[in-house]
Amino acid sequence: AQSVTQPDIHITVSEGASLELRCNYSYGATPYLFWYVQSPGQGLQLLLKYFSGDTLVQGIKGFEAEFKRSQSSFNLRKPSVHWSDAAEYFCVVGPVGGSQGNLIFGKGTKLSVKP
Amino acid sequence: KAGVTQTPRYLIKTRGQQVTLSCSPISGHRSVSWYQQTPGQGLQFLFEYFSETQRNKGNFPGRFSGRQFSNSRSEMNVSTLELGDSALYLCASRTGVSVGGYTFGSGTRLTVV
Repeated sequence: AQSVTQPDIHITVSEGASLELRCNYSYGATPYLFWYVQSPGQGLQLLLKYFSGDTLVQGIKGFEAEFKRSQSSFNLRKPSVHWSDAAEYFCVVGPVGGSQGNLIFGKGTKLSVKP
Repeated sequence: KAGVTQTPRYLIKTRGQQVTLSCSPISGHRSVSWYQQTPGQGLQFLFEYFSETQRNKGNFPGRFSGRQFSNSRSEMNVSTLELGDSALYLCASRTGVSVGGYTFGSGTRLTVV
């Protein structure tokens, strides 16, 4: 069955430090992959997506992610974290089963930023 | 352009009651999906509507239902509310004919007491 694993529930980094959030997926074919961010009490905002092509994907707010098929991973990175990046981040695969399928979400990683 | 609008933002209901949530998609989007978000289970897919037809359904009991109108607005209904139905309910709209392009609303926070 398709699944997404985010092994880190909570990460704390200092402002200005680099960030990497891990994501591993289980999917039978080439996946469509997304990273979403959710601020407290808010909906989900798309950071970036990977469908095919270049395995290094650039997103909004200075984020990037790298698709590694051999490791079934799609890790999110940012070279310098800002206090406003504190939020919860979700790795997502889908739509499962084609364009009519649904998204499968990881459990999320909560990011805290120390001043 | 306007985003996805969910109403109401907050709702408090009593066990056994029923509730209806509304989602207005981005103009031109024909697909609306609903997701339930809880601290324990995370984000789980409820169902998707496309051109007024349910074309995909998650693993939720029949108390959860939905519909979509000709203007693509969607409603979700939960009958006989249980305490465990307390959650943030998110809807997402997309064109529905291609992969990706999901835009989420801010959600409706339902509290069942």
